[in-house]
Amino acid sequence: KAGVTQTPRYLIKTRGQQVTLSCSPISGHRSVSWYQQTPGQGLQFLFEYFSETQRNKGNFPGRFSGRQFSNSRSEMNVSTLELGDSALYLCASSLEGENQPQHFGDGTRLSIL
Amino acid sequence: GIQVEQSPPDLILQEGANSTLRCNFSDSVNNLQWFHQNPWGQLINLFYIPSGTKQNGRLSATTVATERYSLLYISSSQTTDSGVYFCAVFDSWGKFQFGAGTQVVVTP
Repeated sequence: KAGVTQTPRYLIKTRGQQVTLSCSPISGHRSVSWYQQTPGQGLQFLFEYFSETQRNKGNFPGRFSGRQFSNSRSEMNVSTLELGDSALYLCASSLEGENQPQHFGDGTRLSIL
Repeated sequence: GIQVEQSPPDLILQEGANSTLRCNFSDSVNNLQWFHQNPWGQLINLFYIPSGTKQNGRLSATTVATERYSLLYISSSQTTDSGVYFCAVFDSWGKFQFGAGTQVVVTP
């Protein structure tokens, strides 16, 4: 069974640009969550999608958004990039979401110049 | 929200040594997981252990949900055990919250 796939693995952008990251969950998993990892703030929850609906949201500005498609694949978008958005972005999938084992992808490392 | 505290923050071990990592949480939880993040950033699922004890090779974990803590045991450590160990729990709002992690360095 294939694991969680995130693309791209690495990305370099400049301030003010926008970026879209992709996450394909494990087959059969309907919940996809996104996390940001930085040296200063650690691993922080961004949002969770289930059946194409955002079910939960962390404390991030509106520049961070996401969506989920009918095949459970998810995308995360960050607009008007700032230097502080440089981070490892991790995606996790699970069968139904809450209170179930979370399986993580290898992440997308985003660098803002 | 729920507070997840891990200790110690850093751990240096000689190969072959045993160690215990601790995770305390401030409220009752229904899901607790332990992860190992390797130097390449990959977050590897070690245990899903909301309560009780589990073992997987040289690693084992115990969660005492009523006392709000979990322990991860590493026995006969190897250099490949180096990395950061995280525990994470679902809070009452359905958000998966991570501790700050324990950085483990195993020296030959």
